[in-house]
Amino acid sequence: EAQVTQNPRYLITVTGKKLTVTCSQNMNHEYMSWYRQDPGLGLRQIYYSMNVEVTDKGDVPEGYKVSRKEKRNFPLILESPSPNQTSLYFCASSLMTYNEQFFGPGTRLTVL
Amino acid sequence: DQQVKQNSPSLSVQEGRISILNCDYTNSMFDYFLWYKKYPAEGPTFLISISSIKDKNEDGRFTVFLNKSAKHLSLHIVPSQPGDSAVYFCAATLLDSGTYKYIFGTGTRLKVLA
Repeated sequence: EAQVTQNPRYLITVTGKKLTVTCSQNMNHEYMSWYRQDPGLGLRQIYYSMNVEVTDKGDVPEGYKVSRKEKRNFPLILESPSPNQTSLYFCASSLMTYNEQFFGPGTRLTVL
Repeated sequence: DQQVKQNSPSLSVQEGRISILNCDYTNSMFDYFLWYKKYPAEGPTFLISISSIKDKNEDGRFTVFLNKSAKHLSLHIVPSQPGDSAVYFCAATLLDSGTYKYIFGTGTRLKVLA
């Protein structure tokens, strides 16, 4: 089954404790992206990657890191999480940059 | 600055009637527009898209209209069904300095009443 998976689905952590949210897709897609969804703000792009070893900042990259060492994986790293990073996070992938994106189920992160 | 705006946070429609969801944008360089539907506790799913060189695209009950002069697009759902109740996001893609960006609106919650 074609899908985008994210782990964990739910995470509660404390300020400053490094964490990684994993994202994997099995569709051989070139383009992958991370978004955060906040009330009244919709989905905002954090980082995206057009191919292996090629990543770029989206609209809200501060406080986040990503890597794309393999085509299928695109982890999101919070080196020192802060409460303003409490949000719902989605990973997405698409065949090409302008195609429709396939989204993962989301990761709800709470930073205390 | 929100480049893609959905000014109606919510909309209620009777089953069988038409639902019209609206989206306004500010950047004339957007080249693709897409609509996504999102149910609670799930990721968004793609619904329909339109290229900036077209003014209409239809897929079953869903039609997207693009008015470039007004920088406005709309999604029509006919007839509306209770299963269409969800949050709808419009999105636009932009080639910016050699890379593509995806910009979403804030969403409209549609409720279809049985």
